[in-house]
Amino acid sequence: SAVISQKPSRDICQRGTSLTIQCQVDSQVTMMFWYRQQPGQSLTLIATANQGSEATYESGFVIDKFPISRPNLTFSTLTVSNMSPEDSSIYLCSVREASSYNEQFFGPGTRLTVL
Amino acid sequence: AQKVTQAQTEISVVEKEDVTLDCVYETRDTTYYLFWYKQPPSGELVFLIRRNSFDEQNEISGRYSWNFQKSTSSFNFTITASQVVDSAVYFCALSEGDNFNKFYFGSGTKLNVKP
Repeated sequence: SAVISQKPSRDICQRGTSLTIQCQVDSQVTMMFWYRQQPGQSLTLIATANQGSEATYESGFVIDKFPISRPNLTFSTLTVSNMSPEDSSIYLCSVREASSYNEQFFGPGTRLTVL
Repeated sequence: AQKVTQAQTEISVVEKEDVTLDCVYETRDTTYYLFWYKQPPSGELVFLIRRNSFDEQNEISGRYSWNFQKSTSSFNFTITASQVVDSAVYFCALSEGDNFNKFYFGSGTKLNVKP
């Protein structure tokens, strides 16, 4: 499976600031996704990152708060804007490869703490 | 209603014991996929297995086995002769025919394997 890296691995940010998280894959993939995992909780899909067009957001998530870019088939960014303590979570990038049936493979995650 | 229910929040066993993690799902689609992922303390989600709705054959992989029963909408995961390295949070997930890219994760079961 593809090797997925995320930067940063963790960060502590101040309320009102923004953080951009990068997801890099070592091979071209069909689909890229962003998930949020709040402390002690399950994973929730934020959006599908579409190459060359606007991301597709799930209910409860908006572009102004979580702008996403995907300039090519191996890279995507998620920005968490105007952060509040409630945004403290692990943010995970996942990919679906053309060769896979339907499973998604996940990056190591970015642990974000907002003070 | 939750699409994926993992009723066991936390399970503790002693090494070498067998343990079964329960997963019950809910869907109206006839075509769907079920998955299990492992999240060790490091945080990265590790893909374990995918099963489609047309394949009810049970699967065994080393000490891991999965029991898929459509009649009870369950997809249970058994670890035989558990080891300390099995300690992790295990997530069951569902994707449905109208959008296979959208995963519905259960709340996870934390497994503690004590030496």
